Amino acid sequence: DAGVIQSPRHEVTEMGQEVTLRCKPISGHNSLFWYRQTMMRGLELLIYFNNNVPIDDSGMPEDRFSAKMPNASFSTLKIQPSEPRDSAVYFCASSLVQGRDTQYFGPGTRLTVL
Amino acid sequence: DQQVKQNSPSLSVQEGRISILNCDYTNSMFDYFLWYKKYPAEGPTFLISISSIKDKNEDGRFTVFLNKSAKHLSLHIVPSQPGDSAVYFCAASAGNQFYFGTGTSLTVIP
Repeated sequence: DAGVIQSPRHEVTEMGQEVTLRCKPISGHNSLFWYRQTMMRGLELLIYFNNNVPIDDSGMPEDRFSAKMPNASFSTLKIQPSEPRDSAVYFCASSLVQGRDTQYFGPGTRLTVL
Repeated sequence: DQQVKQNSPSLSVQEGRISILNCDYTNSMFDYFLWYKKYPAEGPTFLISISSIKDKNEDGRFTVFLNKSAKHLSLHIVPSQPGDSAVYFCAASAGNQFYFGTGTSLTVIP
């Protein structure tokens, strides 16, 4: 099993540019989560999907952030326009079912906004 | 505001000794707690969990203790091994919401 796949692994962009992060969850998993890791706040849950439907996006910091899951095998997190304070590591995770099931994390995308 | 706090950013322990990682939480509605381990350039991996109906859960060298009255969670690793050197995140769950701490970097010295 390939695990959760994220791309790109590293992204460097300039302030104001659009950034799109991609995630392929583990096949058969019904729940998908987007997290952001910073030194100050640790891992923050941004949004999660269940059966491709966004369930809770209360963690999304601003309207500049949006996430989609067009099908069971693909999700995107978009930041438009990006700002330097968005620099962080973004993780995608998936789990078999919603709730307390173990989440499997991808390797993360390190985003740097100059 | 952080609902889950790991107040020690780092910890160093001699190989073979016990490692104790601590975690405090503020929300009494949390009913499920987890520890994740993270190596550099990798995503976190699940380590051990505990339900609020228990006060202890053990899995090999790893034991998690829960003190609900103190809203405190701890992870004990014994004996510690160099391969345990990683960042450890505690997490708490209420319903479908997960809250993670900021992590504690553990270094096990050979």
